[in-house]
Amino acid sequence: GAVVSQHPSRVICKSGTSVKIECRSLDFQATTMFWYRQFPKQSLMLMATSNEGSKATYEQGVEKDKFLINHASLTLSTLTVTSAHPEDSSFYICSARENRGVNYGYTFGSGTRLTVV
Amino acid sequence: GEDVEQSLFLSVREGDSSVINCTYTDSSSTYLYWYKQEPGAGLQLLTYIFSNMDMKQDQRLTVLLNKKDKHLSLRIADTQTGDSAIYFCAESSLNSGGYQKVTFGTGTKLQVIP
Repeated sequence: GAVVSQHPSRVICKSGTSVKIECRSLDFQATTMFWYRQFPKQSLMLMATSNEGSKATYEQGVEKDKFLINHASLTLSTLTVTSAHPEDSSFYICSARENRGVNYGYTFGSGTRLTVV
Repeated sequence: GEDVEQSLFLSVREGDSSVINCTYTDSSSTYLYWYKQEPGAGLQLLTYIFSNMDMKQDQRLTVLLNKKDKHLSLRIADTQTGDSAIYFCAESSLNSGGYQKVTFGTGTKLQVIP
């Protein structure tokens, strides 16, 4: 089945540094990928929709300059948390949907636990 | 690696019960979740169950867990048109490094026919 690989699984960084998270669709092409953030004991919150070859669409309240998204190819989207601060510590998950016919399946990565110290 | 599987599509008539099934492979799962995603919206946590529980009921929702068979189900009683959405099953466990790892199913699209 479809597989989405997300790396790293866990990262600890110092406040003020930038962190890049990769999301790859391993065996399918995805023109659209999604980035979510999850706070403890809360639902996943959609941050942005990443579109291959164009600018990402950000949800209301999500800072575009803070969370840079690049979808350079049909199999790779990256999320860069710039100038990270402790409040950015969270669980980030990407997902991708296959581009084939009528398919409602969304495949998720295993998530990235970001801790900013 | 861990795998979570769901059927992609379910169609029911309004007023009937819906049952969405999920199977998983990770025997060390600690929590299992059901999320709902409406069109154009993010995932909404509907309910979750601890792995040492068999059943959890919350209003119209009933979650059944068969840990032996690694089978999770979500039953929606008196299904309404507003229940039309994609439902995601997910399981979490602690990895060897002690951090949470969450694996999601591909989602089941529930269509409620008036």
